[in-house]
Amino acid sequence: AQTVTQSQPEMSVQEAETVTLSCTYDTSENNYYLFWYKQPPSRQMILVIRQEAYKQQNATENRFSVNFQKAAKSFSLKISDSQLGDTAMYFCAFKRTNRDDKIIFGKGTRLHILP
Amino acid sequence: NAGVTQTPKFQVLKTGQSMTLQCAQDMNHEYMSWYRQDPGMGLRLIHYSVGAGITDQGEVPNGYNVSRSTTEDFPLRLLSAAPSQTSVYFCASSRAGTGVSPLHFGNGTRLTVT
Repeated sequence: AQTVTQSQPEMSVQEAETVTLSCTYDTSENNYYLFWYKQPPSRQMILVIRQEAYKQQNATENRFSVNFQKAAKSFSLKISDSQLGDTAMYFCAFKRTNRDDKIIFGKGTRLHILP
Repeated sequence: NAGVTQTPKFQVLKTGQSMTLQCAQDMNHEYMSWYRQDPGMGLRLIHYSVGAGITDQGEVPNGYNVSRSTTEDFPLRLLSAAPSQTSVYFCASSRAGTGVSPLHFGNGTRLTVT
């Protein structure tokens, strides 16, 4: 069974700093998808970034980028120039390809951006 | 375009009562799922469906039933509520099959069982 591990339950950084959230996963699959979701205090779940395992290039969305290390089964999220609005829970998620489509989430990292 | 609609937003039940959490999507998504979110536990998959008439169990299915009679609707039933089912419940949907189709989430239902 696939598992997703986020080893940092909570983090705090100063506004404008760069922060990296860690995620590791366990799978025997060769092709799969990885996601980072953000959940602000409003409770809404928002997709931040996605990565296809067969693509070696790391995904980037504005201030958000990932460091995808397939051999190490690591998928960390880097937030550059952090803003107060980045304060949220962040969840890493895993999905197998062409299978049952279910998506498994990690336990989350609560990120505080301090003014 | 409403996306994924969950009702109710809040619910309080007494132990042993039954209820149904409703979920509807208007994006013609084949895949629908239910998660529960508890502090320190992340989102855990309860049940999911890859199309009308097809359902399967996730990580924590006990105490919950689902059915999928139409593409649009995926209700979650609690037959006899227990305090351990106090949680925030999310319904989510996506296109099924190939492609990195992300989940679209509803706004959640906060359920309290006393």
